[in-house]
Amino acid sequence: DQQVKQNSPSLSVQEGRISILNCDYTNSMFDYFLWYKKYPAEGPTFLISISSIKDKNEDGRFTVFLNKSAKHLSLHIVPSQPGDSAVYFCAARAGGGADGLTFGKGTHLIIQP
Amino acid sequence: DTAVSQTPKYLVTQMGNDKSIKCEQNLGHDTMYWYKQDSKKFLKIMFSYNNKELIINETVPNRFSPKSPDKAHLNLHINSLELGDSAVYFCASSQENRGSEETQYFGPGTRLLVL
Repeated sequence: DQQVKQNSPSLSVQEGRISILNCDYTNSMFDYFLWYKKYPAEGPTFLISISSIKDKNEDGRFTVFLNKSAKHLSLHIVPSQPGDSAVYFCAARAGGGADGLTFGKGTHLIIQP
Repeated sequence: DTAVSQTPKYLVTQMGNDKSIKCEQNLGHDTMYWYKQDSKKFLKIMFSYNNKELIINETVPNRFSPKSPDKAHLNLHINSLELGDSAVYFCASSQENRGSEETQYFGPGTRLLVL
């Protein structure tokens, strides 16, 4: 039972344009959401997060939007750069404390020159 | 300096062997985790340790046992390795504070291949 879903296995975007990565979740107990970026043969690197009490969080070129009623979040990258090519994982956590993260399957973002 | 490190990076072994993967974090965090990324690329939580206490243990076979000699280390021991144990294992750490927004930081992964 996938509680965090990333329905696009891959996404191709031209350099300079906006990249939009989507994530849906089913567990209404999730209260904290994160995006991780992963290069081949490396561990996931934290990118940006959002608490369920917010609907937007921005950090430089990266913005995460949360729509709680739709149980949907998205990551916007603008402008997209070649170095953004990687696999992006959406993750969620229910409750505070030492709970593990529930990850989506990832979306492979490819930035075309 | 690497914040979360794992050794070895690659591990190839025969079925039935016992092996260990080590993890160390120098972030001063008090909670550490082990995740498994299987062939379908799903990252799934296996264990977390907080102050040497096992907090969660998902449906992981008891052949897997985490060992934490101190707050900065969480090692993963695997007994009687099976073919299905082949995967990438990631260690992570975070500073837990109930109600706050903690972020988990990941190590580079250990690629285990069981032959």
